[in-house]
Amino acid sequence: DGGITQSPKYLFRKEGQNVTLSCEQNLNHDAMYWYRQDPGQGLRLIYYSQIVNDFQKGDIAEGYSVSREKKESFPLTVTSAQKNPTAFYLCASSPGLYNSPLHFGNGTRLTVT
Amino acid sequence: GDSVTQMEGPVTLSEEAFLTINCTYTATGYPSLFWYVQYPGEGLQLLLKATKADDKGSNKGFEATYRKETTSFHLEKGSVQVSDSAVYFCALTRETSGSRLTFGEGTQLTVNP
Repeated sequence: DGGITQSPKYLFRKEGQNVTLSCEQNLNHDAMYWYRQDPGQGLRLIYYSQIVNDFQKGDIAEGYSVSREKKESFPLTVTSAQKNPTAFYLCASSPGLYNSPLHFGNGTRLTVT
Repeated sequence: GDSVTQMEGPVTLSEEAFLTINCTYTATGYPSLFWYVQYPGEGLQLLLKATKADDKGSNKGFEATYRKETTSFHLEKGSVQVSDSAVYFCALTRETSGSRLTFGEGTQLTVNP
């Protein structure tokens, strides 16, 4: 079955450590996205990539970094510069065309203490 | 900039009750509108969409009509079930955004037997 795989489902880190969240898709989609979900705030876009080797900042990119070296992979690194990293992170992909729906992974819940 | 506003939650209903979740938007031009649903512990799934004024999107008994005059896209279902308990997100995209979505805050729905 085609889909998006995020791993791990739960992740725990100490403050001051960088951590990388994995996102892999086998839908052959061009575009990939990272959203952050916090209670009562909906989804906020962190980074997105429309094509391999290219990506753009979303609305809350500070303290995060990404890479897009392969079409199927879009890892997100939460750096120690992110002031409030504890959240639920969702990866999504789409063909990239206007009106094409997003396909979401099941998310990674990151807890930083 | 673009924005989506949903009715405040949480919403609690009894099984077979009528559901309305309000959604209004602010955007230039003619956006496309979406409803996504998130079941506990999962990512988001597309529920329905409408791409032009007066279009009605429908799926699984849910409906929403794109009303440009009131900039609204309210979600309705005539008879909810316990299995409809989830978080519902209204979202929009514009042609210049590709498939990048702007989301509302989400509305938590709980249906009791």
